[in-house]
Amino acid sequence: RKEVEQDPGPFNVPEGATVAFNCTYSNSASQSFFWYRQDCRKEPKLLMSVYSSGNEDGRFTAQLNRASQYISLLIRDSKLSDSATYLCVVKGNTGNQFYFGTGTSLTVIP
Amino acid sequence: SAVISQKPSRDICQRGTSLTIQCQVDSQVTMMFWYRQQPGQSLTLIATANQGSEATYESGFVIDKFPISRPNLTFSTLTVSNMSPEDSSIYLCSGEEAYEQYFGPGTRLTVT
Repeated sequence: RKEVEQDPGPFNVPEGATVAFNCTYSNSASQSFFWYRQDCRKEPKLLMSVYSSGNEDGRFTAQLNRASQYISLLIRDSKLSDSATYLCVVKGNTGNQFYFGTGTSLTVIP
Repeated sequence: SAVISQKPSRDICQRGTSLTIQCQVDSQVTMMFWYRQQPGQSLTLIATANQGSEATYESGFVIDKFPISRPNLTFSTLTVSNMSPEDSSIYLCSGEEAYEQYFGPGTRLTVT
């Protein structure tokens, strides 16, 4: 079983729509959770760290459900510039490795 | 957040040669990582580099093929040795700061 699993999509949504991505992780003892954004031919960039209480940054909301071992990312009022691949990343409780999901592709359509 | 630079940004190399990629961080970081990413795929960790100790390699990657140096807390190099076309990929370095990971812009390697 993979450490981190994501629905690869693609998600094609109209401008202004709300879209949600989920990601599951296999290690119940994982400590840290993140969402990264990767544009085509660019490096991944940290979008949000995900905290146990959930956190919001403008149009983006991230939530963690430890009982079900999943994290989610909600994007409200989608913009064309939100089109990218969104990577779910989990850091385990031992060692220093970060585990990456395969990414979810989002295209926002005018 | 840490700012990371890499060079070269891209290179085209002949098979059998070696290329060394440099990664510079603008702040001191304990952990640095080297990844490979094929087009349309997610990142694959090659190795973790700590300052003052040998790098820790993931399954499928060996030191003879991908030697890594980590001479201080702001710099690391990855060498891709005896290259073959299968080594064509994007190589990314990253550093961990305050439990978050920041990436360099990547090195796009094509082996002919």
